[in-house]
Amino acid sequence: QSALTQPASVSGSPGQSITISCTGTSSDVGGYNYVSWYQHHPGKAPKLIIYEVTYRPSGVSNRFSGSKSGNTASLTISGLQPEDESDYYCTTYTSSNTPVIFGGGTKVTVL
Amino acid sequence: EVQLLESGGGLVQPGGSLRLSCAASGLTFSTYAMGWVRQAPGKGLKWVSSISAGGGTTYYTDSVRGRFTISRDNSKNTLDLQMDSLRAEDTAVYYCANLVVSGGWYFEYWGQGTLVTVSS
Repeated sequence: QSALTQPASVSGSPGQSITISCTGTSSDVGGYNYVSWYQHHPGKAPKLIIYEVTYRPSGVSNRFSGSKSGNTASLTISGLQPEDESDYYCTTYTSSNTPVIFGGGTKVTVL
Repeated sequence: EVQLLESGGGLVQPGGSLRLSCAASGLTFSTYAMGWVRQAPGKGLKWVSSISAGGGTTYYTDSVRGRFTISRDNSKNTLDLQMDSLRAEDTAVYYCANLVVSGGWYFEYWGQGTLVTVSS
């Protein structure tokens, strides 16, 4: 099972909005509304920020939003802040014997 | 507060074995599927294995199937990963996380990770 495709890096200035894409196939991203997103600061525990494509866990800033169109899911960070500088990963369920697949990760840099 | 605490990592020679454990608190452990995710040095997160809430169903990524065994003890709120025939490419930080599978598949809470180094 190939990893979901994410851009290696995305950057933006404070206050701007950025979008990270996550492209899969009709067997994973396109087939289910099960895409989730994680923020991972190196050396720390990953943190769930979006689940089931669009839902935010309690306590996660509403500057984070998720969407999906066809086989591509997206994470948008609005009003970019310095603390948003981190690695971001998408993941989803797949209809295979390896039911979880991650994206390759995107490094977000706040300029 | 949910806490997941991994232990058991360390240095092991190629071909050797290691057993990781994850102690859970602050959640009703027996009602959640659980999983292991790893991050090799300089690489991204990769799913390794998952187990159903009751322990009767297990899943593995292709590269570890037949070498790793996931298990859980719901009476002790612990999750284990027995790793045999270890290879250099298994070197990684291993994270445990609870896995929500009702209505979606996502890792809700994560531990801080434990480092496994496979080297001679």
